Amino acid sequence: ILNVEQSPQSLHVQEGDSTNFTCSFPSSNFYALHWYRWETAKSPEALFVMTLNGDEKKKGRISATLNTKEGYSYLYIKGSQPEDSATYLCALGKGGGNKLVFGAGTILRVKS
Amino acid sequence: SAVISQKPSRDICQRGTSLTIQCQVDSQVTMMFWYRQQPGQSLTLIATANQGSEATYESGFVIDKFPISRPNLTFSTLTVSNMSPEDSSIYLCSVLDGAKNIQYFGAGTRLSVL
Repeated sequence: ILNVEQSPQSLHVQEGDSTNFTCSFPSSNFYALHWYRWETAKSPEALFVMTLNGDEKKKGRISATLNTKEGYSYLYIKGSQPEDSATYLCALGKGGGNKLVFGAGTILRVKS
Repeated sequence: SAVISQKPSRDICQRGTSLTIQCQVDSQVTMMFWYRQQPGQSLTLIATANQGSEATYESGFVIDKFPISRPNLTFSTLTVSNMSPEDSSIYLCSVLDGAKNIQYFGAGTRLSVL
């Protein structure tokens, strides 16, 4: 069984705080690591797809890093805003990368 | 990115009945996927649906319980058969953009079984 673990389970921060989450996964047979943001009643939104060890990607105030050798990825949000409140999911690509195995997610709540 | 319409957005069903969920994409795609998220659990892949072939089911999921149709490159349905309260979940479809290696998701169907 392929386990993808995310921590923390939930996080409550104040507006303006910076925060980060962790995604851990088995380092063998790595193909790709995906990050999604999922707001209630909306479609999960793809944030990043990362494939190379040491990869760093950035989208506005959100960035992510990848370490495939030790099996983890970090997602950072700089200067959190209330609109960042969502569940952040990471997923490991398997079966040639097309099938996604998701972690349980980190629920972020940003208070104004 | 692909735009995916999923219907219904939510439903409340009685035990023993069946519900068919529709997924419509605004462009032709080869690979479509169906996922389920039970309360407090991770999003889990049910099956992969490719046009022109039988759906491929993941371990723990069977065709009799979750029959899937894929009549063309823009449409798929998932039926949840003979429902029980354990089938109460969010069901999502997704499509693969092979060039970007990204899956785009519908907004989901929130199913409650009484």
